[in-house]
Amino acid sequence: GAVVSQHPSWVICKSGTSVKIECRSLDFQATTMFWYRQFPKQSLMLMATSNEGSKATYEQGVEKDKFLINHASLTLSTLTVTSAHPEDSSFYICSARDTSSGKGELFFGEGSRLTVL
Amino acid sequence: AQSVTQPDIHITVSEGASLELRCNYSYGATPYLFWYVQSPGQGLQLLLKYFSGDTLVQGIKGFEAEFKRSQSSFNLRKPSVHWSDAAEYFCAVGGLGNNNDMRFGAGTRLTVKP
Repeated sequence: GAVVSQHPSWVICKSGTSVKIECRSLDFQATTMFWYRQFPKQSLMLMATSNEGSKATYEQGVEKDKFLINHASLTLSTLTVTSAHPEDSSFYICSARDTSSGKGELFFGEGSRLTVL
Repeated sequence: AQSVTQPDIHITVSEGASLELRCNYSYGATPYLFWYVQSPGQGLQLLLKYFSGDTLVQGIKGFEAEFKRSQSSFNLRKPSVHWSDAAEYFCAVGGLGNNNDMRFGAGTRLTVKP
């Protein structure tokens, strides 16, 4: 299957700082990527849909000014957690849609664990 | 709207015993169904998927799942569980097509007794 890479895998930051997480499709172009959040012992919750060249679409209850998403190229989407606080500590997972096969199947990154002190 | 229900939060089985994890879905059209496994602190690993065709789907690690439209179910099975199968299992629906995101069930945590 197609490969999606996230960076960094782990990040620890101080409260009040901003953190950027990258999601890259390595061997395909992705016009659409999705960002999920997973709290400990919980399921993945969709945060937003990232569309190349346009604004992201956020799920209800997700603060768009808090979680900035940029999808500037067909292989890269970034999630920036602004002014991070301890409650933002979570596991963030991205997925990218591969339309080359016709099915538009989603492939997931390895996840990025954010810890805010 | 699409949704997924995993009725069992936690299941414990003995090593060597058979396993069935339940998944029910709600979807307005032909569902695309997936099972993922997640070990602690790790990302998701795709076990198997159903798009169309044969309703019994074979996956990796000896897992299989059967799509039953009449029951809106996509239960995951394994005839003999290994200790290394202990993990969190997620059923998901959707994920195909230009405007179709993927929705996950709450997950079922599998514990394997020696």
